[in-house]
Amino acid sequence: DPKIIQKPKYLVAVTGSEKILICEQYLGHNAMYWYRQSAKKPLEFMFSYSYQKLMDNQTASSRFQPQSSKKNHLDLQITALKPDDSATYFCASSQDANQDTQYFGPGTRLLVL
Amino acid sequence: QQQVRQSPQSLTVWEGETAILNCSYEDSTFDYFPWYWQFPRESPALLIAIRPVSNKKEDGRFTIFFNKREKKLSLHITDSQPGDSATYFCAASGDSGYNKLTFGKGTVLLVSP
Repeated sequence: DPKIIQKPKYLVAVTGSEKILICEQYLGHNAMYWYRQSAKKPLEFMFSYSYQKLMDNQTASSRFQPQSSKKNHLDLQITALKPDDSATYFCASSQDANQDTQYFGPGTRLLVL
Repeated sequence: QQQVRQSPQSLTVWEGETAILNCSYEDSTFDYFPWYWQFPRESPALLIAIRPVSNKKEDGRFTIFFNKREKKLSLHITDSQPGDSATYFCAASGDSGYNKLTFGKGTVLLVSP
């Protein structure tokens, strides 16, 4: 059974629209993260959460908003989508936010037209 | 300014040879260095990691050599197998930053049979 679930696997959106990327982990971890990977940039850290609290935000744009409704959930809301947002978005988790091993989910591949 | 650099960008070795992947970093506060590998259309997975308390970490055919003074590390893959063909990412994190991983751009390794 997959331990980190990301939905949807693929997503096509139009410029200016809003989408929510879902992430659930069943590893019993207390820390969760979002990373982005595109052809132009390497794996790029976006956010870290620990016990449902935002710990670090390296995303310059407020169009990206993480949402944690439960301890094992960390969704990512993206508003006013731009073609430049096209990338694969990976959710990750670790036991705690202190240099523990991070495990990556399968990713959501987003294409903005 | 790129905090973590990797070289070469791509590397081809014959089956059975030793592949050497290099990594260097800028931030002297980095003190945890995991290597991830990623197969096409899959998510990154932890391969091996090192902390600066030691200058070598071995796991089967994979060995990390670490030089803190020069801020360099390398991943050696002995007896390379075609199944080792993947993109290898060097990453780093420090004691501040809530487990934020900074990734290099990756080295694409191809092992030819």
